[in-house]
Amino acid sequence: NAGVTQTPKFQVLKTGQSMTLQCAQDMNHNSMYWYRQDPGMGLRLIYYSASEGTTDKGEVPNGYNVSRLNKREFSLRLESAAPSQTSVYFCASSSGRRPDTQYFGPGTRLTVL
Amino acid sequence: ILNVEQSPQSLHVQEGDSTNFTCSFPSSNFYALHWYRWETAKSPEALFVMTLNGDEKKKGRISATLNTKEGYSYLYIKGSQPEDSATYLCASEGSSYKLIFGSGTRLLVRP
Repeated sequence: NAGVTQTPKFQVLKTGQSMTLQCAQDMNHNSMYWYRQDPGMGLRLIYYSASEGTTDKGEVPNGYNVSRLNKREFSLRLESAAPSQTSVYFCASSSGRRPDTQYFGPGTRLTVL
Repeated sequence: ILNVEQSPQSLHVQEGDSTNFTCSFPSSNFYALHWYRWETAKSPEALFVMTLNGDEKKKGRISATLNTKEGYSYLYIKGSQPEDSATYLCASEGSSYKLIFGSGTRLLVRP
């Protein structure tokens, strides 16, 4: 039972390049989330998916797109990376039933040059 | 948007000291308060979730209390150990199901 997995663990991009961060969970959770973590700013929600087939914007969605591929997988895409997107990205999942504890993946450290 | 605040931002204590920190959250539309422990280079791990006013939870030397009427929660660590060094995050769960996270309290326990 791996919980929440993310790939890759590290990535360096040049400005303007695109990439997709992958996330998968094996806990049969309904809800999945993407956060970014920047120094002094805590966790900020980028996008979330309350259930398979639905996605919604969070606090900081600009510059990102997401796909809820199936119940297990939720990907985050950067179409044209910018240095401001240098951050650590965490995926999380939850059952969708209250209280709705979220379980986090190990994170992806992204640097945009 | 709910505003969840944690204090202090950081805390340095000696091994053996007991310590506590605060999470403040809006008390309207409240459903649950979550505490997470986040070690450097790892991911946040769930510690406690509390829903009722007056709730207290305990795990080993760590405990937490909840006051939903005034909108605060305390996290206590008794006899701090170096392995307790981490960032402690709280998050409020309201009507929207989404968690609103505070910025965390960074604890460093010196041997």
